[in-house]
Amino acid sequence: DAGVTQSPTHLIKTRGQQVTLRCSPKSGHDTVSWYQQALGQGPQFIFQYYEEEERQRGNFPDRFSGHQFPNYSSELNVNALLLGDSALYLCASSEGTREQYFGPGTRLTVT
Amino acid sequence: AQSVTQPDIHITVSEGASLELRCNYSYGATPYLFWYVQSPGQGLQLLLKYFSGDTLVQGIKGFEAEFKRSQSSFNLRKPSVHWSDAAEYFCAVGAEGNTPLVFGKGTRLSVIA
Repeated sequence: DAGVTQSPTHLIKTRGQQVTLRCSPKSGHDTVSWYQQALGQGPQFIFQYYEEEERQRGNFPDRFSGHQFPNYSSELNVNALLLGDSALYLCASSEGTREQYFGPGTRLTVT
Repeated sequence: AQSVTQPDIHITVSEGASLELRCNYSYGATPYLFWYVQSPGQGLQLLLKYFSGDTLVQGIKGFEAEFKRSQSSFNLRKPSVHWSDAAEYFCAVGAEGNTPLVFGKGTRLSVIA
């Protein structure tokens, strides 16, 4: 049984560009949450998707948007990239109200 | 506001010695508590969780944690540390209903021979 998978593993973008990160949840999980982990910090909640809708959102600007597909996979989009967006982006999936399982993350570097 | 405090930024222990990592939380509702471990460049692996019931919970890799409501703490322990335990450890708090997790800033564990 595959766990949570994320792609790409790493990517480098330039300020002002746009980026899309992808996440496939663990089999049987219907909820996907995204977190940003800056260097030396704990993960911070960006938003959560359930039934293809954004259910909860953390304190992140509208430049951060997402989508969930009918197969429960999800995308995170960031527009107008800033240097401060450089971080490890983690996707977590869960079933109902149970614990969240994390993927390996996507390391985004903005130059 | 919800918050998690991990007072120790970095801890060094000798292999075979016991370990305790501290975690204090502030949360308005009944908390669900978690410990995750992160190896360099990796995602987070769930070590253990507390939802309700017995306040001493067992996890993977020989870890355990004790929930103390009166102290708002959820400290992680291991009786004998192995070199492979060197990693970053994160305490997190949430609640029922798939609420977002709030993480501490982490404690980096180094293990020396």
